[in-house]
Amino acid sequence: DSGVTQTPKHLITATGQRVTLRCSPRSGDLSVYWYQQSLDQGLQFLIQYYNGEERAKGNILERFSAQQFPDLHSELNLSSLELGDSALYFCASSDPGGRTQYFGPGTRLLVL
Amino acid sequence: AQKVTQAQTEISVVEKEDVTLDCVYETRDTTYYLFWYKQPPSGELVFLIRRNSFDEQNEISGRYSWNFQKSTSSFNFTITASQVVDSAVYFCALSELGGYQKVTFGTGTKLQVIP
Repeated sequence: DSGVTQTPKHLITATGQRVTLRCSPRSGDLSVYWYQQSLDQGLQFLIQYYNGEERAKGNILERFSAQQFPDLHSELNLSSLELGDSALYFCASSDPGGRTQYFGPGTRLLVL
Repeated sequence: AQKVTQAQTEISVVEKEDVTLDCVYETRDTTYYLFWYKQPPSGELVFLIRRNSFDEQNEISGRYSWNFQKSTSSFNFTITASQVVDSAVYFCALSELGGYQKVTFGTGTKLQVIP
């Protein structure tokens, strides 16, 4: 168990809908990272938050947004969902020294 | 733009054999970070190592070792005396920023260790 939690584990929804994925980092970790893993695009970095502030942005679509709350949990919001958004979404945190990264179990999203 | 190439799509070895997973990267920056991650059949991602471009020392961790060669832009990963539990997809990655931001991943190498 990495200590990073993600909910829900699975999500099935329809095109055009909006979903929210939730991530809680390990206790004491200030950074949260979001990644998408799909058959078409492979593994992609989406976005990073550090102590509530956006720190880096990757290949995140405009339909997607994220935030990190004062308690350090993070949410990834995906809207106007398309079939191609079906993927495994991972969240990770890193220890304060940045030596190690810890991943959550992922949320598997299926858009029908 | 940064790029990571893992030319080996799939590798099969017999248990106890040594195996090397290749990773070649492209970047214009002189400062960058390289990573390896493991994704077992259960699907979770596991961070293995992060190495910055200024540290060309090879690293060994148990049966795992990493060979970083700037001259050939390679960051290869060797598993010594492979075990069935090493069966997984292994991803090499590169970031031109510090930390784990804006990482570009390779396409992964699927390693199957046969008992």
